[in-house]
Amino acid sequence: SQKIEQNSEALNIQEGKTATLTCNYTNYSPAYLQWYRQDPGRGPVFLLLIRENEKEKRKERLKVTFDTTLKQSLFHITASQPADSATYLCALLSGGYQKVTFGTGTKLQVIP
Amino acid sequence: DTGVSQNPRHKITKRGQNVTFRCDPISEHNRLYWYRQTLGQGPEFLTYFQNEAQLEKSRLLSDRFSAERPKGSFSTLEIQRTEQGDSAMYLCASSGGGGYTFGSGTRLTVV
Repeated sequence: SQKIEQNSEALNIQEGKTATLTCNYTNYSPAYLQWYRQDPGRGPVFLLLIRENEKEKRKERLKVTFDTTLKQSLFHITASQPADSATYLCALLSGGYQKVTFGTGTKLQVIP
Repeated sequence: DTGVSQNPRHKITKRGQNVTFRCDPISEHNRLYWYRQTLGQGPEFLTYFQNEAQLEKSRLLSDRFSAERPKGSFSTLEIQRTEQGDSAMYLCASSGGGGYTFGSGTRLTVV
């Protein structure tokens, strides 16, 4: 069956360090992979999209990699700040309807 | 346009009652999605509209759930004969391609 796995344990890191979150998937051939941020009681906010033929995408302090051989994406936040504390969701998009399937998310806590 | 708007933000209802939620998407987006999210889980896909056509419906959606998008603008999600297991955050998102823009959701509590 199709599965999207993100580390369910919270990730605690010191302010200023680089946070790295992992997304692994099985039985998918996604055309795109997306990352979202979600704060408590709010809807997810779109951060980055990477296509299957792209290896890496950057946006300000964010970097995403996409390895279709390993079936894995890594999401990096450099120079992390307490304001980056949130849950980060990985999402895969496949099929003709642009339907996105989400992982369970990883909670990031940046400690001042 | 200020993004995707969902109403109400919170709804408490008694088991067995019907509830209806509304979503107003970003006006130029032709795709609209409904998701359900419970605590500690990612959003689960419920249904998808392209303009006014409902193109896909999840097997999670029992016949007590129905969604409409008349005229391809706002959408409504109705749950009939609510059950306690329906308690969740109901999220609406719209897209014109690329990433989704989500609303803040409607939190439903069935007591």
